[in-house]
Amino acid sequence: DAKTTQPPSMDCAEGRAANLPCNHSTISGNEYVYWYRQIHSQGPQYIIHGLKNNETNEMASLIITEDRKSSTLILPHATLRDTAVYYCIVRVRSYNTDKLIFGTGTRLQVFP
Amino acid sequence: DTGVSQNPRHKITKRGQNVTFRCDPISEHNRLYWYRQTLGQGPEFLTYFQNEAQLEKSRLLSDRFSAERPKGSFSTLEIQRTEQGDSAMYLCASTLRWRSNRGQDTGELFFGEGSRLTVL
Repeated sequence: DAKTTQPPSMDCAEGRAANLPCNHSTISGNEYVYWYRQIHSQGPQYIIHGLKNNETNEMASLIITEDRKSSTLILPHATLRDTAVYYCIVRVRSYNTDKLIFGTGTRLQVFP
Repeated sequence: DTGVSQNPRHKITKRGQNVTFRCDPISEHNRLYWYRQTLGQGPEFLTYFQNEAQLEKSRLLSDRFSAERPKGSFSTLEIQRTEQGDSAMYLCASTLRWRSNRGQDTGELFFGEGSRLTVL
């Protein structure tokens, strides 16, 4: 079962920052948070990941709360091409498993 | 294009028929995953391989499903005696896992475009 909960949908105006929240209150100390997105009819695409520090790359920023129970993905200047389903994922990793468990994601609609 | 290739992209079959999907991962990737995705849902984990060894199978993978990766390169997912409930997108992903965690293991999975199965 997914270890994350996300709002089912969000809207954002083009050029504005999109802030996508995620709750992962049962996350373990060594489990990473990953974000992927899926544009219609394509496979999921990696965005960013983190453990406990904030992370930034060319696509987005990831803010993880100090208690690690929630995080926010930030797309600083959303474009129409950022319209997609965004998945917040906890990577489940142990001696006998290593996989990403997807939830149902947040459908982000960027409008002009 | 991530470099992960899946074939066929679309398959329509009648209930009871067998189907096989193929995944060609990025060449140097030693780990390969299969996921299934139904409409409106996120991808569900099915199984994964480290080289040619199948390390884990989800309980979703009934005995009608079998996956192989015979030479540690391409993989096949076969569904026998298909049912209408098997209709879904089947996604393959690959990645490179190091034996020791030297910080080079980003955990990034590279997904293919998927194979869409419709069972009539």
